[in-house]
Amino acid sequence: AQTVTQSQPEMSVQEAETVTLSCTYDTSESDYYLFWYKQPPSRQMILVIRQEAYKQQNATENRFSVNFQKAAKSFSLKISDSQLGDAAMYFCAYRREYGNKLVFGAGTILRVKS
Amino acid sequence: EAEVAQSPRYKITEKSQAVAFWCDPISGHATLYWYRQILGQGPELLVQFQDESVVDDSQLPKDRFSAERLKGVDSTLKIQPAELGDSAMYLCASSPSGYNSDTQYFGPGTRLTVL
Repeated sequence: AQTVTQSQPEMSVQEAETVTLSCTYDTSESDYYLFWYKQPPSRQMILVIRQEAYKQQNATENRFSVNFQKAAKSFSLKISDSQLGDAAMYFCAYRREYGNKLVFGAGTILRVKS
Repeated sequence: EAEVAQSPRYKITEKSQAVAFWCDPISGHATLYWYRQILGQGPELLVQFQDESVVDDSQLPKDRFSAERLKGVDSTLKIQPAELGDSAMYLCASSPSGYNSDTQYFGPGTRLTVL
């Protein structure tokens, strides 16, 4: 079974600075998808960014980018120019190539200081 | 912008009572998911529907939990009887039709407290 590990329960960053959230996963499959979801306090979870395992190029969405290391089974999220609105719980998630089931990590709380 | 609706947002109940949660997915989304999120953990899939059919309920505690999506639109998740360990956030999500559709849209959740 696939597992996702987020080793940082909590992270802090100063406004306008950069922060990196870590995620590792375990799978025996070669093709799959990886995601970062953001869950703001008392609001619904939204997709931040996704990465297809067969793509070598790291995904980027505005201030959010990933560092995907397939051999190391590592998938970190970098947030540049951090904003107060980035404060939230961030979840890393894995999905097999075929199927819809998401396997989530335990999450990382990100605090942004002004 | 269309959103997934859930009700109630909060529910407090005593153990051994029955509770029910409702979810209305984004219009036209064929796939619906119920997740349970225990405090301090990531969401765990309980059940997945494709239209009105269950495609994955391997993690659903079937002795006390049931889920239905009779007309392939909205869905109800029921717990009977509730136990202390059921205290959690129950999230509903939906995604467009297609086996491989990969963007899930989440609702705000129902926070259940069992006393």
